[in-house]
Amino acid sequence: RKEVEQDPGPFNVPEGATVAFNCTYSNSASQSFFWYRQDCRKEPKLLMSVYSSGNEDGRFTAQLNRASQYISLLIRDSKLSDSATYLCVVNIAGNQFYFGTGTSLTVIP
Amino acid sequence: ETGVTQTPRHLVMGMTNKKSLKCEQHLGHNAMYWYKQSAKKPLELMFVYNFKEQTENNSVPSRFSPECPNSSHLFLHLHTLQPEDSALYLCASSQDAGAVYEQYFGPGTRLTVT
Repeated sequence: RKEVEQDPGPFNVPEGATVAFNCTYSNSASQSFFWYRQDCRKEPKLLMSVYSSGNEDGRFTAQLNRASQYISLLIRDSKLSDSATYLCVVNIAGNQFYFGTGTSLTVIP
Repeated sequence: ETGVTQTPRHLVMGMTNKKSLKCEQHLGHNAMYWYKQSAKKPLELMFVYNFKEQTENNSVPSRFSPECPNSSHLFLHLHTLQPEDSALYLCASSQDAGAVYEQYFGPGTRLTVT
């Protein structure tokens, strides 16, 4: 069983749309959660950490549901520049970071 | 620019060659990581160094040999690789090797083994 699972997509949405991604994790001892974005042929870049109470950064909202073991990312008012692969990352203990395979998003004009 | 640099950016090597990948971070971080990213697969953590000490080796074959001379530099020495080792190798750093610290990635070295 994979530690982290994401719907690979692709998600194709029009500009201005709201889109949501979910990510499930298998280990209930997971401690920290992050969303990264990765553009084609580039390195992953931190988008936001995910806090227990949920957190928002501009058009992006991240939620954590420990009972159901999933995290989510909501993007409002999608921009063309949001097109990328979004990676869910879970840290179980100290050094052990587990990445999902990523969800591909394309925002269409 | 994330403050983590990697050289070379591209590398083609034969199965009998020996080469090294270099990573340098300018962020004052104490932890550094090597990851492998293959097509259609999630990033795989290979090695972790915290304060120059190796703290994780995720069952990586011995043909990959890491070296961390100080907290700012990390090397990955390669020898007798296989074609299936072709991938993007990413270096990352974080403030410390603790769960709460986000990682910052370098641009990666795209390795092709022929």
